This record gives sequence, C-alpha cells and structure tokens, in this order.
Amino acid sequence: QKEVEQDPGPLSVPEGAIVSLNCTYSNSAFQYFMWYRQYSRKGPELLMYTYSSGNKEDGRFTAQVDKSSKYISLFIRDSQPSDSATYLCAMSEVGRRALTFGSGTRLQVQP
Amino acid sequence: GAVVSQHPSRVICKSGTSVKIECRSLDFQATTMFWYRQFPKQSLMLMATSNEGSKATYEQGVEKDKFLINHASLTLSTLTVTSAHPEDSSFYICSAGQNYGYTFGSGTRLTVV
Repeated sequence: QKEVEQDPGPLSVPEGAIVSLNCTYSNSAFQYFMWYRQYSRKGPELLMYTYSSGNKEDGRFTAQVDKSSKYISLFIRDSQPSDSATYLCAMSEVGRRALTFGSGTRLQVQP
Repeated sequence: GAVVSQHPSRVICKSGTSVKIECRSLDFQATTMFWYRQFPKQSLMLMATSNEGSKATYEQGVEKDKFLINHASLTLSTLTVTSAHPEDSSFYICSAGQNYGYTFGSGTRLTVV
C-alpha cells in the first residue's frame, strides 16, 4: 500500500464547475499538507499549504484536512481552462522536511 | 517569493557518459535542498536530501555512487548522474525552501541514448 493514494484521473469538467480533488494517506505522523499544480514538463507550483486539520481558503481554492479520516481535499471554484494541469498532494512529518507525494490527478477544464 | 533555478532544462547524452544538473536558490539561502525523480505519469519520488557542507542523505534504493550530490554553497546543489544508462532517463527536479512550502525548480528532462 502506498503511503499516499490519489486518483490519477483524468478528471474532465466544464468551465465554471466546482472541482474536488482528494488524497488519502496512511501515515498518522503527517502534519503538513500541501497541494501543488504541475503543468506538463514543468516543476510543481505550490498552491496551498496547511498544518494539521482544518480548512484554508485562498481565492478560488479551498484546502481541507481531516486527520481523523486521513483524508485531504482541494476544491477549485469557478474552474477555468487555465486550471487544466496535474494536481499533486504532498505531505510531510514534523522534523522531516522532505515531501511524500501522491501520484497526481490530471484535470481538464473544457471551455 | 522564493525562486529556485534549475539548469539545464533538457539534456540528451550518450550511454556511459555523465551529466551534471544544477539547482540554485536565487533569493534565499538553502542549507537543505531536495532532489526528486519523476517518471511519466507518475509522482515525484524523493532521491536524496542535499545538505550544505556535508554528505547527502540518500533514500533507500538510490545508488549514491551513481547519483553524486554536491552542496558546496548555500545557494547551489548539483546532481551528477554518472555512467548514465537509458533507464536513468527521467525528469529530475530539485526543491528548496525556508519552511514546509517548498519551491521547485523547473526540472531537467534527461534522455540517455
């Protein structure tokens, strides 16, 4: 079993839709949770970063962490064609700065 | 914001040769940098943690003699793929940061022919 599980997609939605992306994990020591966006052949770009459980909102993006269920989500409101990319969840333990990534979900927003 | 520059972006080399990839933090000092590897349609896998002024820490299964890491200054880490083989062809990405929200370089696509 992988430490972090993420549905690879592809996920195709119409422009303006609300997108929900999810990851589950097995390591209860994970405390830091991130979402990255990666365009083809580019390095990942940090979108959201949260510590422990709770919600965090930034513009059209909302990140949720439920540590009791070992489940994290990223919601994208009013999705745009420019949001089409691969979204990677990533996590780390306190004191260990390297990240463990999910496999990424490929999102396509149709105009 | 933090900027990490990685060079080259693409490299093609012959089997048996060595390739050096550079990772620079442009506007901050990084005592620690990370090297990841990504195969097509797969996630990033941590290869090693690069520590300024000391030896790198390699993940299990990563050959330290094949993937040489040097972190000689607070702004530069290099990854050298020695005696490259076609199976080393991959996307190599470095990252650095001052907290847990790390910045990634743009990646290096290595093709060994």
